[in-house]
Amino acid sequence: EADIYQTPRYLVIGTGKKITLECSQTMGHDKMYWYQQDPGMELHLIHYSYGVNSTEKGDLSSESTVSRIRTEHFPLTLESARPSHTSQYLCASSELSGRTLAGETQYFGPGTRLLVL
Amino acid sequence: SQKIEQNSEALNIQEGKTATLTCNYTNYSPAYLQWYRQDPGRGPVFLLLIRENEKEKRKERLKVTFDTTLKQSLFHITASQPADSATYLCALASQAGTALIFGKGTTLSVSS
Repeated sequence: EADIYQTPRYLVIGTGKKITLECSQTMGHDKMYWYQQDPGMELHLIHYSYGVNSTEKGDLSSESTVSRIRTEHFPLTLESARPSHTSQYLCASSELSGRTLAGETQYFGPGTRLLVL
Repeated sequence: SQKIEQNSEALNIQEGKTATLTCNYTNYSPAYLQWYRQDPGRGPVFLLLIRENEKEKRKERLKVTFDTTLKQSLFHITASQPADSATYLCALASQAGTALIFGKGTTLSVSS
């Protein structure tokens, strides 16, 4: 069982609200990621981080932002939620040697299911 | 652009049979390929990784093959059980090596 946690697990919120999805891991992994997944669809990478003070945008454009002030913590923020942000958000981490992902196993949290009304 | 295709339809088999799931990819030559399991409402869980110079890899009842000529990986579950029912995802490192690209997955249902 992976030691990576996400809160909240479910969130229903109104349009225009600011939200922060929390993700933390106790494995000491340098690399962390945020994915977005709609039902029956692929995971799409929206943000990743190589370590403290490092953040990069993923392949899928997202209006969310992330920060990495501590190794174990990688929160995702939406300044103004919209119905189009309704989705499942998955956080993951991996050990990293070098700057490639090839061959790295990713450990996923349980996800946050977000519904914006 | 890189593309991953998995069995587009759900796979239904009887308990005790072997399930075979397919992952095809195009426009790319990955050095590694990974398989994950995802249960409803949960995050994916890593199962197996196979390198381009490995033809086959096994773990308990699981077997993965990797054919770089056909650009295809096959994932086998032998002596399948109802507890194996889940969605199985194939993932490849992107061309730049900075991200994992996931397929949509194949949903396996094992009936007793």
